[in-house]
Amino acid sequence: NAGVTQTPKFQVLKTGQSMTLQCAQDMNHEYMSWYRQDPGMGLRLIHYSVGAGITDQGEVPNGYNVSRSTTEDFPLRLLSAAPSQTSVYFCASKEGWRSYGYTFGSGTRLTVV
Amino acid sequence: AQTVTQSQPEMSVQEAETVTLSCTYDTSESDYYLFWYKQPPSRQMILVIRQEAYKQQNATENRFSVNFQKAAKSFSLKISDSQLGDAAMYFCAYRTGGADGLTFGKGTHLIIQP
Repeated sequence: NAGVTQTPKFQVLKTGQSMTLQCAQDMNHEYMSWYRQDPGMGLRLIHYSVGAGITDQGEVPNGYNVSRSTTEDFPLRLLSAAPSQTSVYFCASKEGWRSYGYTFGSGTRLTVV
Repeated sequence: AQTVTQSQPEMSVQEAETVTLSCTYDTSESDYYLFWYKQPPSRQMILVIRQEAYKQQNATENRFSVNFQKAAKSFSLKISDSQLGDAAMYFCAYRTGGADGLTFGKGTHLIIQP
């Protein structure tokens, strides 16, 4: 049981480049979400999904797109990377609406130069 | 919007002693959940303990316990018999009962002195 898998673990982008951070879970969890963590800050919610085909914005959605075509996958897209998007990104999932336990991936460290 | 405040950027404790990490939150909701997460240098987010707002009894998990003061909107974490492996960043987090997504505090860096 792999849990939540994020790829890549590290990435360096040039300003203006695009990329997709991958997140996959094998626990058949309904809920998936993306957070970013900046120095001196806690994690902040970017986007979340309550099931396949359903997504919504979190606290800091600007500059990011998401889609949820399957239960297992929830990719995060940066269409035109900016230095302000340099951060550590975490994907998390949980089983259902009343579930308490979020399972986090190990994070992706993204640097935009 | 809900906010979570951790007023201690860093705490230090001697091994085997007890330490308490503070957390306050602001909400107008009555149905919510509170969590403490541990983040060691490996970066992994690890759930330490959770508390449902409707429960009056404070949650306990082995050496970890909380002091949940609903009226004061306070949710502190007590770590007893501190161990070197407890050294990490600790984040307090909040979730509204009817919505997804966690709101995190800025974290407390816990140092364990041998």
